[in-house]
Amino acid sequence: GQNIDQPTEMTATEGAIVQINCTYQTSGFNGLFWYQQHAGEAPTFLSYNVLDGLEEKGRFSSFLSRSKGYSYLLLKELQMKDSASYLCAVRDSNYQLIWGAGTKLIIKP
Amino acid sequence: GAVVSQHPSRVICKSGTSVKIECRSLDFQATTMFWYRQFPKKSLMLMATSNEGSKATYEQGVEKDKFLINHASLTLSTLTVTSAHPEDSSFYICSLKGQGAETEAFFGQGTRLTVV
Repeated sequence: GQNIDQPTEMTATEGAIVQINCTYQTSGFNGLFWYQQHAGEAPTFLSYNVLDGLEEKGRFSSFLSRSKGYSYLLLKELQMKDSASYLCAVRDSNYQLIWGAGTKLIIKP
Repeated sequence: GAVVSQHPSRVICKSGTSVKIECRSLDFQATTMFWYRQFPKKSLMLMATSNEGSKATYEQGVEKDKFLINHASLTLSTLTVTSAHPEDSSFYICSLKGQGAETEAFFGQGTRLTVV
């Protein structure tokens, strides 16, 4: 079966750095996505990785290792508005998105 | 990125009634749209894939007669929850895939359905 695992909840301090991990087992791989979702709102796109390595975009970076079936989202200089759920999704061989359950990130002052 | 408009954002209905949710692609023609349901603190669950001009493809366990999907044009897909019950209360989100395999999914604003 297809499976995506991410921690259920994480807590971090404002101004600090946090890394959210995602491991996956899917039938084929055509890219990995990270989305941010605030409570009661639709997800918003953060990043896309299809090749191994690190993609940096401002305070957010995303890393992918296809051989290990592993990705992480790195958030720097945390702000209170970063409190949200972060969803990892993998596009499989049928180009269907398989979603993780999301990681709820709580930022404390 | 693509703009997806979903309406209504919130709806409260009585048990036994039907509710229609619209999903519009505002700036490009979407041959395929996806309908998701999300329960509190849970991940997105794909309900069905809506294909323009043909019948929708439903995921296992999703009742096609209860969740009617119509994708009559390249810019509009609708989801109708028929004979709604309190257990259908959830957050429903539509999305469409951008043109090209590398692009991300674009989401509507979501619809919070409460059945009383």
